[in-house]
Parts: sequence; C-alpha cells; structure tokens
Amino acid sequence: QVQLQESGPGLVKPSQTLSLTCSVSGVYMNSGGYYWSWIRQYPGKGLEWLGYIYYSGSTYYNRSLKSRLSLSIDTSKNQFSLKLSSMTAADTAIYYCARDTGGFDWLDPWGQGTLVTVSS
Amino acid sequence: QSVLTQPPSASGTPGQTVTISCSGSTSNIGKNTVNWYRQVPGTAPKLLIFRNNQRPSGVPDRFSGSKSGTSGSLAISGLQSEDEAEYFCAAWDDSLSGGVFGGGTKLTVL
Repeated sequence: QVQLQESGPGLVKPSQTLSLTCSVSGVYMNSGGYYWSWIRQYPGKGLEWLGYIYYSGSTYYNRSLKSRLSLSIDTSKNQFSLKLSSMTAADTAIYYCARDTGGFDWLDPWGQGTLVTVSS
Repeated sequence: QSVLTQPPSASGTPGQTVTISCSGSTSNIGKNTVNWYRQVPGTAPKLLIFRNNQRPSGVPDRFSGSKSGTSGSLAISGLQSEDEAEYFCAAWDDSLSGGVFGGGTKLTVL
C-alpha cells in the first residue's frame, strides 16, 4: 500500500522560503513509472496544482509559481521536496503531496496534507 | 476563480441519483481526460474517477463519470448519507501547460 506523508514547518514568516518534504512508503521511487506532485488547498477550499517531479529529477512547474518554486527528489531516501521562496500571506494553505500517474494524469494517493501559515 | 466550473452545491435524498457537472474549455477537458476527487472535511482529497469514467479499485459502481465535448459529469446513484462530501474535477490544460481543478461541489444528502 503506497502512502505519502508531508513534513515541514507549520508557520513561516513573510519573505522566507518554505521547505516541505514528502516521504513515500510502499513503492520505490527509483523504480520509475510515476511522477510526484505537489498541490495546495487554500482556506476557502480551492485547489491549486504546484508542479511535479519525475524520478529522474525532471520537473514541471505551474507557470504562475515557476520563479519561486523548486522541486527536488532523493530516491535513496524515497523522498521528494518542495521549496517555495518569498512567501506571503497568500501562500497560506494546506500543502499536499501525491503520486501522479503521468504528468497530472491522475493523483493517487495523496498525503494527509500539512497546514502552512504565513505570518510574522 | 477556478478554470473548471462546478456548481458550488448539490443535494439529494437517499436513493436518488445526483449529477455534478464540470465545465471547461477546448484547452482542458476538450483535449484531455477528466478526473474526479472526493474530499471529506478534514481529510485529503481521494481519487474517485480517472480518465473520464474509470473507477479505481474499491470505488462502488454507484459512482460513474462521463465526458462530452468540453464538459465532464459525475453521477452518484443510490445516494447514501456517507456520500456527503466535497467533489472536485480536474484536468490538464494545454494553454496553461498545467493541471487545473474545479472549485468543488459540496454534496448534501437531505
């Protein structure tokens, strides 16, 4: 059974960089065949796709975030990570990681999500 | 404002059939497949329908999806109280070169 778990700070100050990690169990990420995505959900419930990374390290980002977003992967630890710079209050959201079957083909499963609040 | 348009709410009584629509455009649903996710408050979204009409293992056949032109639909037959949740549609958008979601539909079982 594939499971994903996000970890990272729950509170980030404005202008700082958010760093989150998604730990994957139940499948070896270096076996290939899947992409690994980040999605966030705003307090008002809207969902936004942030980007995905392949096991090889190739990435694809949401254009609106491309200048601030960086995804990386460590297959030896079976983890992938997100860095989002220049955080503002508008970035306050629940951040989810998910297994992506093929470049946003479909997302399954999702991690439980982690709430990130941007506040001084 | 979401790229894919869903009604904010839907309702039905136990046993009824409810349909939730997802309206897009030629750059997303018109060219790509639609997926549906179900979210119970306080939990993460969960895949319900993929590639327009495919059900993952474990999803009852009461749930069905379809696509026509630039719109997708989710039908829930034999409505049950446990079907109360938020339902989101999603698709890849070629113009935006990114994944897009609907705003979500809150289903209430009366």
